[in-house]
Formats: sequence, C-alpha cells, structure tokens
Amino acid sequence: QKEVEQNSGPLSVPEGAIASLNCTYSDRVSQSFFWYRQYSGKSPELIMSIYSNGDKEDGRFTAQLNKASQYVSLLIRDSQPSDSATYLCAVSGGSYIPTFGRGTSLIVHP
Amino acid sequence: DTEVTQTPKHLVMGMTNKKSLKCEQHMGHRAMYWYKQKAKKPPELMFVYSYEKLSINESVPSRFSPECPNSSLLNLHLHALQPEDSALYLCASSQALEGYTFGSGTRLTVV
Repeated sequence: QKEVEQNSGPLSVPEGAIASLNCTYSDRVSQSFFWYRQYSGKSPELIMSIYSNGDKEDGRFTAQLNKASQYVSLLIRDSQPSDSATYLCAVSGGSYIPTFGRGTSLIVHP
Repeated sequence: DTEVTQTPKHLVMGMTNKKSLKCEQHMGHRAMYWYKQKAKKPPELMFVYSYEKLSINESVPSRFSPECPNSSLLNLHLHALQPEDSALYLCASSQALEGYTFGSGTRLTVV
C-alpha cells in the first residue's frame, strides 16, 4: 500500500517567518510530487510540482525533494496570514494517480 | 481557459431523489476525475476517465454513476443516496504526469 505521511499540525508560525512543511512517502518508484493548498471549505489548488531531486523555487515557495530519503518538503518564506490553510502533499508513481497525504494545517498569526 | 467548472456549487437532496453533478474543462486534458472529500480528510478517489473511457472505479457504490459524454464534460449521476454520502464532490483534470486542476466542488447534503 502506497503511503504518504504528513504531520496533521496545526503548524503555527508568526507572520514573516519561514513555514516548513514535510511529507514522507513509501513508494520508492514515485516520480511526481505535488503540493496543494486548500482553504477551509474550498477545493485544493496546485501550488508546486517537483519531479527531480533538489530544490524548486516559485516566488515565496520552495519545494525540496530527496528521493534517497523519500521525503519532500515545502518552505514558505515571509509567511502571511493569507497562507493559513491546509497543505496537501501528493505523490504519484508509474500511474498518474497520486496518493494524497492527510494534509498539514498551517496557521500564520499576525 | 485554465479552469475546471463544476455545477451546482451546493446541492441538497432527499434520499429518493435523482440529481446530477456536472464538470467541464477546456484545457484539452485527457484525464478527468471525481473525488469525494469529507471534512478534515484528504480527497478520496472515486472514478477516473482517460480519453473518455472509464479506467478506474474505486469500488464506489452503484448509487453513484459517472458519465463522460465527450472530452470536455464529466457528469456524476446520483440516485438513492444516504446521509453519509454528504461531502464535497470534486472534479479534476490533468495532462499526463502533471498535477491536477480541481474545480470549485459541489457541496452535497443528503437529507
């Protein structure tokens, strides 16, 4: 059974700090890794995708992938109250159907 | 057009009703999905259509019936639902190994 593990949180950080969200996965042949942001009562929104080891930056977001250690992380720099949401990690292997983690709740307080 | 449009946004139905959820995308994505999401849980896969053919059915009860009339449209027909079927129903589309574009969802309440 493919598993994607995330700490459910909540992770609480002050405004302007770096939020670090982590995700581990069990399937060694995983190829595609995604982070979705989901505001309460809304649908998930894709914010980052990463396919190879290393870092990928997009604005205030950085995704980090380490396939040897089977983890993927999301860093949010200069966190804002508007970043408060649940962040879902999703991992897919040979099929294009991802396995979702349970999500980490992030709270950014002013 | 980079959106997936779902209608209706909210639906309240009785256990004897028949209703349909609709989903439309014009991004040329050839894979479309139905997910069900309960509060504080991750999305749960229901059906996958690939090139307009049903490729995955995650043992969903027959009271849920998917339909893909063409490459842009996806329907989910509902009949004789139970209160425990109340949830957020999400449609998504994707291309190859790219991530999903989700619609805004239909909030379904079964009374």
